[in-house]
Amino acid sequence: EAQVTQNPRYLITVTGKKLTVTCSQNMNHEYMSWYRQDPGLGLRQIYYSMNVEVTDKGDVPEGYKVSRKEKRNFPLILESPSPNQTSLYFCASSSPLSSGGVDNEQFFGPGTRLTVL
Amino acid sequence: AQKVTQAQTEISVVEKEDVTLDCVYETRDTTYYLFWYKQPPSGELVFLIRRNSFDEQNEISGRYSWNFQKSTSSFNFTITASQVVDSAVYFCALSEIIQTDSWGKLQFGAGTQVVVTP
Repeated sequence: EAQVTQNPRYLITVTGKKLTVTCSQNMNHEYMSWYRQDPGLGLRQIYYSMNVEVTDKGDVPEGYKVSRKEKRNFPLILESPSPNQTSLYFCASSSPLSSGGVDNEQFFGPGTRLTVL
Repeated sequence: AQKVTQAQTEISVVEKEDVTLDCVYETRDTTYYLFWYKQPPSGELVFLIRRNSFDEQNEISGRYSWNFQKSTSSFNFTITASQVVDSAVYFCALSEIIQTDSWGKLQFGAGTQVVVTP
């Protein structure tokens, strides 16, 4: 089954304690990205990766790191989490295709709800 | 800078009514991608469509249809004969095109809550 998995699904942590949210896809997709969703602020892109070893900043990269050493994995690293990083995080993957339309899907992970105290 | 505006915060309809969600965008890029996503009450995100800026053909998929008008910078989404299962938040998004067939930064609209009552 084609899927994007994220772990953990829920995490409560304290300020300053480094954490990693993993994201893995089994579809051999080139493009992967991370988003955060906050009430009143909507969805915002944190980082994206067009392929292995190719990453770039989205709208809100501050306080986050990513790496793309393998095609299937795109972990999100919070080196020193702060309360303003409390959010719902989504990972996504897709394979760019030329035709666009409804059939060229992006797949999202189930989300990780992070609380930083 | 890119910007996506979904002016409708919430739309309430009765089942079987049609509902149209507006999306207006701003970009300096001559080529770009437009997207629509759905987030039902369960919270997951679901991709609906991606459209190239150089393809202004309207798209229909079942009860869903999309009207892309470059002249007015709009990419509107219509649900025909709405059903309770269509109740969700719908997001429009815009992205630059990087290389061929790939996109970069994604800019989202604020979302429109659609409530369909029986």
